Amino acid sequence: KNEVEQSPQNLTAQEGEFITINCSYSVGISALHWLQQHPGGGIVSLFMLSSGKKKHGRLIATINIQEKHSSLHITASHPRDSAVYICAVGERGGSNYKLTFGKGTLLTVNP
Amino acid sequence: NAGVTQTPKFRVLKTGQSMTLLCAQDMNHEYMYWYRQDPGMGLRLIHYSVGEGTTAKGEVPDGYNVSRLKKQNFLLGLESAAPSQTSVYFCASSRQRGGRMGTDTQYFGPGTRLTVL
Repeated sequence: KNEVEQSPQNLTAQEGEFITINCSYSVGISALHWLQQHPGGGIVSLFMLSSGKKKHGRLIATINIQEKHSSLHITASHPRDSAVYICAVGERGGSNYKLTFGKGTLLTVNP
Repeated sequence: NAGVTQTPKFRVLKTGQSMTLLCAQDMNHEYMYWYRQDPGMGLRLIHYSVGEGTTAKGEVPDGYNVSRLKKQNFLLGLESAAPSQTSVYFCASSRQRGGRMGTDTQYFGPGTRLTVL
């Protein structure tokens, strides 16, 4: 069973700060997902990546397959970025149809 | 497009009662999933479906049943609710890509908050 660990569990930042959230996993994967859960509960997929780096606006996601580690960066953070950020990994294997989710990182950005 | 919708949004049950949660998607996705989210834990997969008429067990299937009679709908049933089933339930869907669920972007519904007294 893959173990997905996120750090930190909670993060408080001031508006404008650069944010990094980390995700580590224990076994080989087919892809890694970053999701955002808004205070109202809705979950949105931000990135899906299997190598390298992806960028969307102020969000950047990187993955190092050899080290089994991914980071989510937010540049010029804003209070509207306040949410829970969730890392999930999809495991290789023809019959293994599941994502394993981390517990999430609660980000609070203060004005 | 509405995306993924869930009915109801909130429900309170008494122990032993039954209910069905409905998930509908209008994106013509092959794969659909039911998750539960509990405080301090990651999302956990209850059951999933890789196509109309198919279902399979996930990580925590006990106490739940599912059906996928139509491609756009995925129903989650609780036959005899227990307090341990108090949770927020999320439905999600994804398109098929290479037959490996883990590589598909999943689209989530808004969730159903269920309380079992």
